Amino acid sequence: DGGITQSPKYLFRKEGQNVTLSCEQNLNHDAMYWYRQDPGQGLRLIYYSQIVNDFQKGDIAEGYSVSREKKESFPLTVTSAQKNPTAFYLCASSARTEKETQYFGPGTRLLVL
Amino acid sequence: GEDVEQSLFLSVREGDSSVINCTYTDSSSTYLYWYKQEPGAGLQLLTYIFSNMDMKQDQRLTVLLNKKDKHLSLRIADTQTGDSAIYFCAESRMDSSYKLIFGSGTRLLVRP
Repeated sequence: DGGITQSPKYLFRKEGQNVTLSCEQNLNHDAMYWYRQDPGQGLRLIYYSQIVNDFQKGDIAEGYSVSREKKESFPLTVTSAQKNPTAFYLCASSARTEKETQYFGPGTRLLVL
Repeated sequence: GEDVEQSLFLSVREGDSSVINCTYTDSSSTYLYWYKQEPGAGLQLLTYIFSNMDMKQDQRLTVLLNKKDKHLSLRIADTQTGDSAIYFCAESRMDSSYKLIFGSGTRLLVRP
């Protein structure tokens, strides 16, 4: 099956700890994205990558880091500098076409212990 | 501004039509999208419309776009309890490097 997978489904972070969220796609999409969703709010863009070995900050990049070493993978690290990390994190991908339709993974819920 | 705005909540009876509204601010929008999110899940693409169209129909879904008023709507005919979810509209812009701007979502509750 083609699609986007995210793991884990739930993740717990202790104070001062870095955690990494996984996102993998087998759609052969060039572009990948990370969004944060807080209750009752829309999605806010954290980072995006249009091509391997390149990525750009979104609207709320502080306290997060990413890498794009392979086309199919775009992991997100939530660092200890992110003081309010509790949220639902969504990964998406799109082909670099004019239509730019983004397809989403199932999400990872991050909770702070 | 960048805001995409939606009403927060809509309640309809099963079998009725639902209309979810969205307003956006940027006239350079190229495509406008509707996504559905069920509890604890990711976003599922429902439909999209190109900015030079004013209507698109796909089975029970009808999208209307009023570009002059920057108003987008999603009509769901014969609404079912399985349609209960949060619906997000989103716009893509020619100057945004593939970014989508999302509204805050409309929670649709379908009463039996």
